[in-house]
Amino acid sequence: DGGITQSPKYLFRKEGQNVTLSCEQNLNHDAMYWYRQDPGQGLRLIYYSQIVNDFQKGDIAEGYSVSREKKESFPLTVTSAQKNPTAFYLCASSIGRNREETQYFGPGTRLLVL
Amino acid sequence: GNSVTQMEGPVTLSEEAFLTINCTYTATGYPSLFWYVQYPGEGLQLLLKATKADDKGSNKGFEATYRKETTSFHLEKGSVQVSDSAVYFCALRGTGNQFYFGTGTSLTVIP
Repeated sequence: DGGITQSPKYLFRKEGQNVTLSCEQNLNHDAMYWYRQDPGQGLRLIYYSQIVNDFQKGDIAEGYSVSREKKESFPLTVTSAQKNPTAFYLCASSIGRNREETQYFGPGTRLLVL
Repeated sequence: GNSVTQMEGPVTLSEEAFLTINCTYTATGYPSLFWYVQYPGEGLQLLLKATKADDKGSNKGFEATYRKETTSFHLEKGSVQVSDSAVYFCALRGTGNQFYFGTGTSLTVIP
């Protein structure tokens, strides 16, 4: 089955610690995205990548970093500089540069601060 | 620029009631429009889409029509079920790879 997997489902971070959220897709999509979702709020774009080895900051990139070394993988690191990381993180992918194509979402990772 | 404005929630309806969730957009060019649904603790799933003016997207009894003249894409369902309880997001995609989402509308259907 094609799709997007995110791991872990729950992640706990201690103060001052960096943590990495995994996102893998086997849909052969060029574009991948990371969103943050806070309770009762919409999706806010953190980073997106249109091709391998290239990515752009979204609206709330501060305190986060990404890499895109392989087409199928787009990990997100939440650094210690992100002072309020508790949220639900969603990864998505889409076929590149076709405005008729939808995004496909992973099941999400919930990050909690200890 | 591109943006989506969505009806504030939460919305509570009785089973078999009629549902409308309003969505209006601002966009340059000719965007595609989408409705996504999110069940508790899960990612978003595509519910329906429309890619040009006057197109009607439909799925699982839900419908939405792309209205260029009113820049709207309102979601409707004639008879909601308890299983429709979820959060609904309106979104648009322009010429680039970015998607623009509304803030989401929470729907609760009571038996």
